[in-house]
Amino acid sequence: NAGVMQNPRHLVRRRGQEARLRCSPMKGHSHVYWYRQLPEEGLKFMVYLQKENIIDESGMPKERFSAEFPKEGPSILRIQQVVRGDSAAYFCASSPLARTSGKTDTQYFGPGTRLTVL
Amino acid sequence: DAKTTQPPSMDCAEGRAANLPCNHSTISGNEYVYWYRQIHSQGPQYIIHGLKNNETNEMASLIITEDRKSSTLILPHATLRDTAVYYCIVSSKNGAGSYQLTFGKGTKLSVIP
Repeated sequence: NAGVMQNPRHLVRRRGQEARLRCSPMKGHSHVYWYRQLPEEGLKFMVYLQKENIIDESGMPKERFSAEFPKEGPSILRIQQVVRGDSAAYFCASSPLARTSGKTDTQYFGPGTRLTVL
Repeated sequence: DAKTTQPPSMDCAEGRAANLPCNHSTISGNEYVYWYRQIHSQGPQYIIHGLKNNETNEMASLIITEDRKSSTLILPHATLRDTAVYYCIVSSKNGAGSYQLTFGKGTKLSVIP
């Protein structure tokens, strides 16, 4: 059973360009989470998606960032007009079940995409 | 959000048990305690989780105090490959009505030969 897959593993962009990060969840998982880790910091939640739905985007910056999880294909985290402050590791996690009150279903993380903005 | 407090760093001799403490004194009755670790820039790896009872799996044991205000992750025979940052996380409900993992700074465990 393959784990969570992310690509590319490393991405270099110049300021003002667009970055697209992809995440394929584990087989049988229909829930995807994106987290960002700035250098020397812990992971910060960004967005939680189910197939074709954004459930919680409370951690997403209001501008330039968007996420989708289409019916077919991987989840995409898109960053428009990147700035140097966007340089970070972006991790995707997936879980098999919908979250219910009082419990967070176990999330399994991918290897991350390291974005460098020049 | 229920917050956690962990020591910033710990050392453990190879082959010995590593006991990593975590305080979560504001945990509510329906919140779980999760442990993850992150080995140098890799994606976080799930270790174990629990609610009230002690738990054990192939990686570790989790001991939760009766009042649930603290817990201890035990790696029974630490190896050099266990050197990592260990995160103790309490699942919490945010304003949007959903749950997420809130990562703190964790404990940097160094296993020494």
